[in-house]
Amino acid sequence: DSGVTQTPKHLITATGQRVTLRCSPRSGDLSVYWYQQSLDQGLQFLIQYYNGEERAKGNILERFSAQQFPDLHSELNLSSLELGDSALYFCASSSGGWNTEAFFGQGTRLTVV
Amino acid sequence: AQSVTQPDIHITVSEGASLELRCNYSYGATPYLFWYVQSPGQGLQLLLKYFSGDTLVQGIKGFEAEFKRSQSSFNLRKPSVHWSDAAEYFCAVGAKSGGSNYKLTFGKGTLLTVNP
Repeated sequence: DSGVTQTPKHLITATGQRVTLRCSPRSGDLSVYWYQQSLDQGLQFLIQYYNGEERAKGNILERFSAQQFPDLHSELNLSSLELGDSALYFCASSSGGWNTEAFFGQGTRLTVV
Repeated sequence: AQSVTQPDIHITVSEGASLELRCNYSYGATPYLFWYVQSPGQGLQLLLKYFSGDTLVQGIKGFEAEFKRSQSSFNLRKPSVHWSDAAEYFCAVGAKSGGSNYKLTFGKGTLLTVNP
């Protein structure tokens, strides 16, 4: 158990819909990262938050957004969903920047039908 | 921009045999290098990391990796593979992405199958 909790574990939704994925970081970790894992693209970094502020941005679509709340949990919002958004979405947390170890949650598997 | 290449998509070894998974990176300066393992249905677990210092890094589960700057490589090794090592392995590079921010870039992964 990494200490990072992601909910829900599975999500099935229709095209055009909007979903919210939730992540609770390890106790004491200030950084939260979101990744998308798909068969064709592999593991893609989406976005990082540090203590409530956006710190780094990767290959995140404009239809996607995220935020980190004062209690440090984070949410990834995916809207206008397309079939190609079907993937495993991982959250990771660490105490600081990239040179600190990131602990990954078990992921949310999103299926868009 | 940094990139990571794992040339082997799938490797099969026999239990007890030695293992080497290849990783090559592209980055202008000294990167931070990581190896993660992902078991089926699980998240990623850090095996080891290299930031500086000794180029031979020891990790968990008996794994080690060697940073070779001249070859831009960070290959993962294990002298004797166990059936429980069957998983997908990801090499990653962390590099500066403006100011004090860093970006973590993963390779496509190498799937390891272990035969009894």
